[in-house]
Amino acid sequence: TQLLEQSPQFLSIQEGENLTVYCNSSSVFSSLQWYRQEPGEGPVLLVTVVTGGEVKKLKRLTFQFGDARKDSSLHITAAQPGDTGLYLCAGAFSGTYKYIFGTGTRLKVLA
Amino acid sequence: NAGVTQTPKFRVLKTGQSMTLLCAQDMNHEYMYWYRQDPGMGLRLIHYSVGEGTTAKGEVPDGYNVSRLKKQNFLLGLESAAPSQTSVYFCATWRDTGSDTQYFGPGTRLTVL
Repeated sequence: TQLLEQSPQFLSIQEGENLTVYCNSSSVFSSLQWYRQEPGEGPVLLVTVVTGGEVKKLKRLTFQFGDARKDSSLHITAAQPGDTGLYLCAGAFSGTYKYIFGTGTRLKVLA
Repeated sequence: NAGVTQTPKFRVLKTGQSMTLLCAQDMNHEYMYWYRQDPGMGLRLIHYSVGEGTTAKGEVPDGYNVSRLKKQNFLLGLESAAPSQTSVYFCATWRDTGSDTQYFGPGTRLTVL
């Protein structure tokens, strides 16, 4: 059973376009993380959100945690080829020592 | 400071063979994790450890065993490899629950024929 569903699964866009990736669950998380993974490497943390409704910005990336802490979104403004990669969300339950990962969104930005 | 290292980087096994994957960290982190990554499945937790001498099952533990005899090392064993265990395996570490970041190793690509 996959607790975290990401959409879309694949996305190919032109440089300069905007995009949004979604991470949805029926479960409530105490915190949620977004990672980016390059081919042949391990995931690298982009951001952690912990409060319902929280919005964090990292340059052209905007992350939002849903009010009910069941979902999250990642919005990229003016995408660049360097944004190409696999984006993963991961949620943690209160009192546990582990994160559950989503299914991933593979993004390709064409020059 | 190497961070998180994994050995080996690549391996090909025949069905029924055994092997051990080694994860080593030099950051003195308490928590260590083994994940497998398959296309369209994200990362799935196999086993994890919250400290030296302790281990616990994750989402997909069947067919794997682990040991954490030393704080800096976390071993993942396959006693009798199956083709379904063909995957990329990642190790990760986490300092403690007050720390945001999990640090991932570079991965081990395993093929079971």
